[in-house]
Amino acid sequence: GQSLEQPSEVTAVEGAIVQINCTYQTSGFYGLSWYQQHDGGAPTFLSYNALDGLEETGRFSSFLSRSDSYGYLLLQELQMKDSASYFCAVRDLGNTGGFKTIFGAGTRLFVKA
Amino acid sequence: EAGVTQSPTHLIKTRGQQATLRCSPISGHTSVYWYQQALGLGLQFLLWYDEGEERNRGNFPPRFSGRQFPNYSSELNVNALELEDSALYLCASSLSPTATEAFFGQGTRLTVV
Repeated sequence: GQSLEQPSEVTAVEGAIVQINCTYQTSGFYGLSWYQQHDGGAPTFLSYNALDGLEETGRFSSFLSRSDSYGYLLLQELQMKDSASYFCAVRDLGNTGGFKTIFGAGTRLFVKA
Repeated sequence: EAGVTQSPTHLIKTRGQQATLRCSPISGHTSVYWYQQALGLGLQFLLWYDEGEERNRGNFPPRFSGRQFPNYSSELNVNALELEDSALYLCASSLSPTATEAFFGQGTRLTVV
């Protein structure tokens, strides 16, 4: 089967750095995405990693290790507006030949002043 | 450019009834995904359509079904509604089956009473 594990909650202070981890188990791994969702809002795409290594986009970076079935989202210079839920999502090529994206349960990030 | 639009925004049904939710993808996007998000929980994959065909479905009973029309818009039908079906139903679209980024609509809040 497929499963993703990420912490349910993380709290950090403004200006700090926070890392949200994601471990996954899937049969047809294709890539790992991260999405941000503010309360009452729609998820928005942050990043996608298909290969091992670090991808940097401004204050946000995402890392993938395929051999460890592990990835993380790194948020630097935290701002209050970063308080949201963050979902990792595995892009899986199922045995029917069709892609599907499986989301984790999400990590709620609280940024304190 | 218009984003993914979903209708209605809110829907209240009684147990046993049927609900129909609609989604219009971004112009040019052929893939449409449906997710269920119960209150405070992660996104559960429901269905994926591309080019008018169902490509994959999640672990949901057959009373969850849908279709994609020639203009790539999509409909999600939930029959014999149960109280546990109360959730936010999110639709996402992507440019193609291999596209790595999905764009989400604001969702339909379904309440079953």
